[in-house]
Amino acid sequence: NAGVTQTPKFQVLKTGQSMTLQCAQDMNHNSMYWYRQDPGMGLRLIYYSASEGTTDKGEVPNGYNVSRLNKREFSLRLESAAPSQTSVYFCASSEAQRGNEQYFGPGTRLTVT
Amino acid sequence: SQQGEEDPQALSIQEGENATMNCSYKTSINNLQWYRQNSGRGLVHLILIRSNEREKHSGRLRVTLDTSKKSSSLLITASRAADTASYFCATDAYGGANSKLTFGKGITLSVRP
Repeated sequence: NAGVTQTPKFQVLKTGQSMTLQCAQDMNHNSMYWYRQDPGMGLRLIYYSASEGTTDKGEVPNGYNVSRLNKREFSLRLESAAPSQTSVYFCASSEAQRGNEQYFGPGTRLTVT
Repeated sequence: SQQGEEDPQALSIQEGENATMNCSYKTSINNLQWYRQNSGRGLVHLILIRSNEREKHSGRLRVTLDTSKKSSSLLITASRAADTASYFCATDAYGGANSKLTFGKGITLSVRP
């Protein structure tokens, strides 16, 4: 059981470049989430997916898009990266029938120059 | 915007002492959760307390919830150096299939050997 995996672990982009952050979970969870963590700000929700085929905006969705590819995978895309998107990105998953506790991946550290 | 606000922002104690961390929130909740984050890692779920519960225990952890004051506390008894980490409270307004968490900014706990 790998839990929640994220790729890549580190990435450096130039302003205007695009990239996709990948997330997969092997716990058969329905819900998946993308957060960003900035110093002194805690975690802020970017997008979430309550079930396969649905996605909803969180607190800070601007500049991002998501795809819930199937039950296991939930990707986050930056179409045109900006320095303000320099952050650590975490993916998480949860299951309502098992108590809603969230399981987190190890994170992707993204720097936009 | 952050729902949970932790207090204090930083706490330094000696090994063996108890650590108490507080969280206040603004709107009604279905449940409140506490997470730990070691440096450079993803978050790990510690404990969940539902709005109709007042106290929960898990090993050396004790969580209380006072919905009339919109506050929660996390007590770690007999602390160890390995407890050094950041601790976050997170509120879930809806629970169930619509669960999504709003995190506070976190408390940095240092336990001196």
